[in-house]
Parts: sequence; C-alpha cells; structure tokens
Amino acid sequence: ELKVEQNPLFLSMQEGKNYTIYCNYSTTSDRLYWYRQDPGKSLESLFVLLSNGAVKQEGRLMASLDTKARLSTLHITAAVHDLSATYFCAVDNNSNYQLIWGAGTKLIIKP
Amino acid sequence: DVKVTQSSRYLVKRTGEKVFLECVQDMDHENMFWYRQDPGLGLRLIYFSYDVKMKEKGDIPEGYSVSREKKERFSLILESASTNQTSMYLCASRKPGHMGSRIGYTFGSGTRLTVV
Repeated sequence: ELKVEQNPLFLSMQEGKNYTIYCNYSTTSDRLYWYRQDPGKSLESLFVLLSNGAVKQEGRLMASLDTKARLSTLHITAAVHDLSATYFCAVDNNSNYQLIWGAGTKLIIKP
Repeated sequence: DVKVTQSSRYLVKRTGEKVFLECVQDMDHENMFWYRQDPGLGLRLIYFSYDVKMKEKGDIPEGYSVSREKKERFSLILESASTNQTSMYLCASRKPGHMGSRIGYTFGSGTRLTVV
C-alpha cells in the first residue's frame, strides 16, 4: 500500500530564512505533485515532478524528486509572508487513477 | 486554463435532506474526483470517475453516491445528510495518460457543507 509522509506537519519561521519540507513515499512512483492551499480555499497546483532528478523552481520555491530514495523536497528560499499556506505533496498510485496525499505542512511565516 | 467549477461555495442543509453537489469542468477531462477535507485528516477520496458513466469507490464512499452522465459533469449525492458529513468538499479533474501526468489534478474552489 502506497503511503505518503510529510514532515514537518507544522512550521513557523521568520521572513528571510530558508527551510525545507520533506515528502517520503513508500512504494515506487514516478510522478509527484506539490500543491498549495490557503485557508478556506481550494488547492493550487505548484509543481509536477515526473522523473528522477527532476528539479523545478518558481520564485522562492524549488521542488526536487529522488525516485530512488522515494523522497521529494520543497525548499523555500528567503521566505516571505505571502508564502504562508499549507503545502501538500501527492504521489500517483501507478496501479489506478488515484493520488495518495500527504497530511500537509502548515507553514507560517512571521514578518 | 482548465476550469473546474463547483456550484456552491457554502451550503447549509438539514439532517436527512438529500444533497446534490455539482462539479463541472470545461477541458474535456476524462477523470474526475470527489474529496472531502477535514482538519487533521487531510484529503480523503470519496468517489472517482475515469470516464462517462464510470464510477469507482474511493476510501470513504459510505453515505455518498455519484453520477456521471456527461463528461463535463460529476455530481456527488448525499442520500440522507448527517452531521458527520459536515466538511469541505473538493472536486478535481485530470486528463489521464501522458498529458495528465504532466498537468496533474485541477481542483474546484470547494463547497463548505454544514449539516445541522
């Protein structure tokens, strides 16, 4: 059974600092997704990572995928308050149409 | 951009009512999904449909049914609403195969349902 674990589940940090959110998954998959959710809102797609070694960057966010280690990271550089949100990773279950979701990381960035 | 539209942003219904949540997508996606999201429990899949008139149970189908008569529309039905179905409901769609894996899922804005 495919399981996805994110850590930390909660992160409070100061503006200007760097930090990394980790997403581990338990069985083989070659497609991993990162989403952002603002309070009371729906989920917004950030990155789709499709192959081992994939790295994608958008502004202060950079995501990478290591399929051998079954690990993806979401790195935040010089955090700003606007990045406060909950971040989810999700992994494609290769055997059916479903995504398996991590529990989410609630990120609070203080001015 | 693909758009997924959920018919209601907020709903308040009474216990025992039959509730319809509607979801429409405009990009000819084959796959559609209904999730519910509760604090501390993350996203849980209720039902999904991989094509018209096709439906599959997700992780928590009890108390729900779905309908997919047209490709663009996927309806979630609460046959007899109960207070434990108070939740945020999210609809998503995706094109399967190579293109779908490059785009991922697109979510609607969500329906916050309160059953009293």
